[in-house]
Amino acid sequence: RKEVEQDPGPFNVPEGATVAFNCTYSNSASQSFFWYRQDCRKEPKLLMSVYSSGNEDGRFTAQLNRASQYISLLIRDSKLSDSATYLCVVNLAPGNQFYFGTGTSLTVIP
Amino acid sequence: EAQVTQNPRYLITVTGKKLTVTCSQNMNHEYMSWYRQDPGLGLRQIYYSMNVEVTDKGDVPEGYKVSRKEKRNFPLILESPSPNQTSLYFCASSPDRAFYEQYFGPGTRLTVT
Repeated sequence: RKEVEQDPGPFNVPEGATVAFNCTYSNSASQSFFWYRQDCRKEPKLLMSVYSSGNEDGRFTAQLNRASQYISLLIRDSKLSDSATYLCVVNLAPGNQFYFGTGTSLTVIP
Repeated sequence: EAQVTQNPRYLITVTGKKLTVTCSQNMNHEYMSWYRQDPGLGLRQIYYSMNVEVTDKGDVPEGYKVSRKEKRNFPLILESPSPNQTSLYFCASSPDRAFYEQYFGPGTRLTVT
């Protein structure tokens, strides 16, 4: 069983749309959670960390549900520049190992 | 400029010929890690290091070695590369382990024939 699972998509949405990605993790000992963005086989870059209380950064909102072991990313008012692959990342206690989902591909269409 | 550098960026080699991929960071980060990325499998952690002379196996360490003799450098060594090690490799560093952003290098695309 994979530690982290994501719907690979692809998600094709028009500009201005709202899109949501979910990610589930299998290990309840997971202690920190992140969303990374990866453009066309370039290096991943941190989009946002995910906190228990949920957090928002502009058009992006991340939520964590520990009871159901999933995290989500909501993108509002999608821009063409949001087209990328979004990677869900989970860190297992005591904090040494990271597990990445396979990524969800998003294409925003004009 | 704060960055993680990897060399070479592209490498084509033959089975069994030892190679080293270098990784260096200039941010004084404690934590460094190597990943490989394969289609349909995502990024998988190969080895990580929490500090100088401290290294540990990740999820897929077979066929790889690492060393951390200096804080800034974390080379990945393939003693006897095989075709199933053809992949895109990323080095990453972080100020600490769990709760901080990882900064990734630009990647090394390795082909083993």
